[in-house]
Amino acid sequence: DQQVKQNSPSLSVQEGRISILNCDYTNSMFDYFLWYKKYPAEGPTFLISISSIKDKNEDGRFTVFLNKSAKHLSLHIVPSQPGDSAVYFCAASINNNDMRFGAGTRLTVKP
Amino acid sequence: DAGVTQSPTHLIKTRGQQVTLRCSPISGHKSVSWYQQVLGQGPQFIFQYYEKEERGRGNFPDRFSARQFPNYSSELNVNALLLGDSALYLCASSRETGWGQPQHFGDGTRLSIL
Repeated sequence: DQQVKQNSPSLSVQEGRISILNCDYTNSMFDYFLWYKKYPAEGPTFLISISSIKDKNEDGRFTVFLNKSAKHLSLHIVPSQPGDSAVYFCAASINNNDMRFGAGTRLTVKP
Repeated sequence: DAGVTQSPTHLIKTRGQQVTLRCSPISGHKSVSWYQQVLGQGPQFIFQYYEKEERGRGNFPDRFSARQFPNYSSELNVNALLLGDSALYLCASSRETGWGQPQHFGDGTRLSIL
């Protein structure tokens, strides 16, 4: 069963604009949510996380929003840069165990 | 500090063989997790170990096993390899278990089964 879903396989954004990547989950027991970025031939790189007791977490250009009632997570990148082009994975876990990943969204930032 | 290191980077095996993949966590990290990633999908959880004890297991057959050593390094073993085991195997480490401890990934071992 796919408990974490990223319904957009790809997203294209102009440099300098906002990128919004979305993620939905089904398990209300998840208490820790993360975003990872992956370049080809490399492992996923941790970007930002949020616990279920918060609804927003910021780190520089990256902000993660959590809407528990809608079971929805989003990552905002502002401003987007060409170097942000990568595959982004949403992940969720219970007590940082058995982490479940979405299928990923390929972000392309055009100069 | 060095990141998570995995060996080998690539491996080719035939059906029915056995394979051992190795992982060294970031220094100071006590928890190691293993994931399988097939093309077009996100990583799938296989195992988590903490302080040499299994803390979690994903929906994988008993052909998959793992262990963690006193220095916190880990091995993933897969017996009786099937064509469907061809994938990128990722290892991730975190300082502790529990939320607030993001897992950091190695670059993976690409396993091809012929």
